[in-house]
Amino acid sequence: SYELTQPPSVSVSPGQTARITCSGDALPKQYAYWYQQKPGQAPVLVIYKDSERPSGIPERFSGSSSGTTVTLTISGVQAEDEADYYCQSADSSGIYRVFGGGTKLTVL
Amino acid sequence: EVQLVESGGGLVQPGGSLRLSCAASGFTLSSHSMNWVRQAPGKGLEWISYISSSSSSIYYADSVKGRFTISRDNAKNSQYLQMKSLRAEDTAVYYCARDWGVNDGDVYYYYGMDVWGQGTTVTVSS
Repeated sequence: SYELTQPPSVSVSPGQTARITCSGDALPKQYAYWYQQKPGQAPVLVIYKDSERPSGIPERFSGSSSGTTVTLTISGVQAEDEADYYCQSADSSGIYRVFGGGTKLTVL
Repeated sequence: EVQLVESGGGLVQPGGSLRLSCAASGFTLSSHSMNWVRQAPGKGLEWISYISSSSSSIYYADSVKGRFTISRDNAKNSQYLQMKSLRAEDTAVYYCARDWGVNDGDVYYYYGMDVWGQGTTVTVSS
């Protein structure tokens, strides 16, 4: 079955830039989506279609794509950004959705 | 307020069955495709099923195919997940999630899962 690979953890100091990657063979063909999940809460969509930001999501969240890797970038990280982040996409058929394993962002 | 509320979780023995419900409010369910996503304790998110707005397209992850059945009742603004032959590895918080998408003829444009419920916990144990 299709898999998306994320680093288990990323750590940054407040004000720095955090970059979280997600790799998958079908990413050149399928868009990626990013979700933020804080402890005990439901996920929140923060990036759609690789690089678009839903309304209400701060401008410091951005996304990019290059080949088989997509990247979530959080500029000027704040303490409130500490959370788990999941990429989501679909297999090459576009039918079966899949989440990456998640990345825990720690703000030092 | 746009909201999804799951119910029906609980403790069930291995091999047992359970039916989860997801009630929508603040929007018309019939306009949206829907999903079920689960999260095992301390683990990541796992997409398990999708149903289109008219129920014409239904998909399952391999992990639940043949055991789980997704359905919806647009008149009741609700969707459901019937779970059978439950296993210990099905223990998880189960979320329903709304598709943010647009139908344009035969093409469906997907923009992500934009509304999530708070989840209902299913524990499979003897």
